[in-house]
Amino acid sequence: NAGVTQTPKFQVLKTGQSMTLQCAQDMNHEYMSWYRQDPGMGLRLIHYSVGAGITDQGEVPNGYNVSRSTTEDFPLRLLSAAPSQTSVYFCASTPRITSGSYNEQFFGPGTRLTVL
Amino acid sequence: GQQLNQSPQSMFIQEGEDVSMNCTSSSIFNTWLWYKQDPGEGPVLLIALYKAGELTSNGRLTAQFGITRKDSFLNISASIPSDVGIYFCAPSSARQLTFGSGTQLTVLP
Repeated sequence: NAGVTQTPKFQVLKTGQSMTLQCAQDMNHEYMSWYRQDPGMGLRLIHYSVGAGITDQGEVPNGYNVSRSTTEDFPLRLLSAAPSQTSVYFCASTPRITSGSYNEQFFGPGTRLTVL
Repeated sequence: GQQLNQSPQSMFIQEGEDVSMNCTSSSIFNTWLWYKQDPGEGPVLLIALYKAGELTSNGRLTAQFGITRKDSFLNISASIPSDVGIYFCAPSSARQLTFGSGTQLTVLP
């Protein structure tokens, strides 16, 4: 298994450009999520999905869209990039949610995005 | 709103020393997870705690889920150079994980 894969690894955008960060997992996990990591702030949840066709907002969803057409893929779209979206983006997946709490989340290697 | 405080923010220790870090919250959680992040990588789960009062070990790591369900600590014994990285607490009560701000650990030879 490749686990959770993310592409690209690095990206530089100009303000106003749009792009899609790709995330895929080959573990047949139901739950997938996107986080952004900024210095001194830990990881903050952007959007998540509990299964194909189902998505929901996290703590910081503004400026981002997601879709989940398959179990394997969970792309994150930046609609109109802004310098405030400069960050490291992590995708994660979890087999399932049990008893209202999380099982282990498996993280991808991250995408480092700079918006000029 | 919910507040999650992780301390210390950074630590510089000598190889062989023990390390302790903790997280406290204004909210009650059902699960406390501890993750480690190596430079340039995504976080990796170290220990998961599912029951208030639970004390769990994983090699040189020991973590406890506070009895009030609002706090947790992580201890690392006899630190080694590969312990370098950022450690995050990540409590959960529903469908979301909340990450602490992290403890940056540096181990000096």
